[in-house]
Amino acid sequence: SQTIHQWPATLVQPVGSPLSLECTVEGTSNPNLYWYRQAAGRGLQLLFYSVGIGQISSEVPQNLSASRPQDRQFILSSKKLLLSDSGFYLCAWSKERRADTQYFGPGTRLTVL
Amino acid sequence: AQSVSQHNHHVILSEAASLELGCNYSYGGTVNLFWYVQYPGQHLQLLLKYFSGDPLVKGIKGFEAEFIKSKFSFNLRKPSVQWSDTAEYFCAVRSRSGGYNKLIFGAGTRLAVHP
Repeated sequence: SQTIHQWPATLVQPVGSPLSLECTVEGTSNPNLYWYRQAAGRGLQLLFYSVGIGQISSEVPQNLSASRPQDRQFILSSKKLLLSDSGFYLCAWSKERRADTQYFGPGTRLTVL
Repeated sequence: AQSVSQHNHHVILSEAASLELGCNYSYGGTVNLFWYVQYPGQHLQLLLKYFSGDPLVKGIKGFEAEFIKSKFSFNLRKPSVQWSDTAEYFCAVRSRSGGYNKLIFGAGTRLAVHP
């Protein structure tokens, strides 16, 4: 069966520090991968999605970037965090390009102080 | 661009009450629609989905949703809620952009069921 992991589970970082959140998927190959940010009252905002190694599409211009160095690994990064980057970050995967059902990870709670 | 609107941000019900959560989408073509649920402390998971065929879709835990094309709606219903239905519910529509499919989510509805 497929599983999706995210770490860390929680993170507290100072403004201006770098960020690296990792997501890995097991039990499937060539998945579509997604990064979302969930803010209270605003639902899930799609940040990035990837259909393959090195292929990243950005949905919202911002202080964040994403990379996919391996088929089942998706990384969310920032060189300098802003206060507004605080939130709950979710990684998800779906089978190839269909995106009919997305399977979500446990999420990372990021607090920028 | 496609969008999803969920009318109720917070809903409070007593056990055994009936539930209907509203969802409207903006898209005139073929749509695929979803309801996801996030129980406290758990991953976001799929509740039900509509692709084609019978517009009344049944999902897990007694939930159902009806696709009404003329109203651009996909409301979620349950005839009798339980305390364990306390969760946040998200409606989503599949969107095609740049040759790829992705999901557009609504803002979510927090449901609290009191015993």
